[in-house]
Amino acid sequence: RKEVEQDPGPFNVPEGATVAFNCTYSNSASQSFFWYRQDCRKEPKLLMSVYSSGNEDGRFTAQLNRASQYISLLIRDSKLSDSATYLCVVGRDDKIIFGKGTRLHILP
Amino acid sequence: GAGVSQSPSNKVTEKGKDVELRCDPISGHTALYWYRQSLGQGLEFLIYFQGNSAPDKSGLPSDRFSAERTGGSVSTLTIQRTQQEDSAVYLCASSLVSQGAGGTEAFFGQGTRLTVV
Repeated sequence: RKEVEQDPGPFNVPEGATVAFNCTYSNSASQSFFWYRQDCRKEPKLLMSVYSSGNEDGRFTAQLNRASQYISLLIRDSKLSDSATYLCVVGRDDKIIFGKGTRLHILP
Repeated sequence: GAGVSQSPSNKVTEKGKDVELRCDPISGHTALYWYRQSLGQGLEFLIYFQGNSAPDKSGLPSDRFSAERTGGSVSTLTIQRTQQEDSAVYLCASSLVSQGAGGTEAFFGQGTRLTVV
C-alpha cells in the first residue's frame, strides 16, 4: 500500500462549481500535512499547509482527520486558473512524502 | 536568485552514455530530495539527503543511478549507461529540517528535462 494515496482523476468541473479532493495516508505517525499545486510542465509549489483545526485561504479550505487518516481540499467558486494537479504531501520523521496527485480541469 | 537551481535545464544524450545532473539547494536547507517525473505521471521519489545522515536511497530504480551531496550543499545525480526509459524530468527539492515536527515546505527547482535518444 502506498503511504499517500490520491484519486488521480481527472476531475472535470464547470467554472464556478465547488470541488473537493481527499487523500489518505497510511502511517499514523505522520506529523505534517500539505497541499501542493503543479501546473503543466512546471515544478510543484506549496498551496497550503494543513492544520489539525482546519484552515482556510480564500476559496481554499483544507481539513485533517487524524482518526481516519485523511486530508481534504475544498475549492469553492472554481476558476479556470485552478486547473492543475493537486498533490497531497505528508511529513514524517523530517521527510515529506508526495502523493501522485489529482488532476483538475475547470471547464468554461 | 535564492531558489533551488538545477542544471542543465535540458539534456539530450545518446543511449548508453552517462549523464550528471546538478542541484544547488537553497542556502541553509539541510534536506534535499531528488524526484523523477515522466510525462503525465506523478512524482517518483529517488533519493533523500538529510544533513550528515545516511541518504535514503530506497527510490533509486537501478544500480545505474547514484547521487551524492558534497559538503551538505550541492548534489549530483548520476545516471550511467542511460536507457530510453530514463527520459523524464528530474526534479530537485530542498527544505529546512523541522527537528522532529514532520517536515517543512519543500522548494523545487525547475528541473532537468532528460531525453535519451
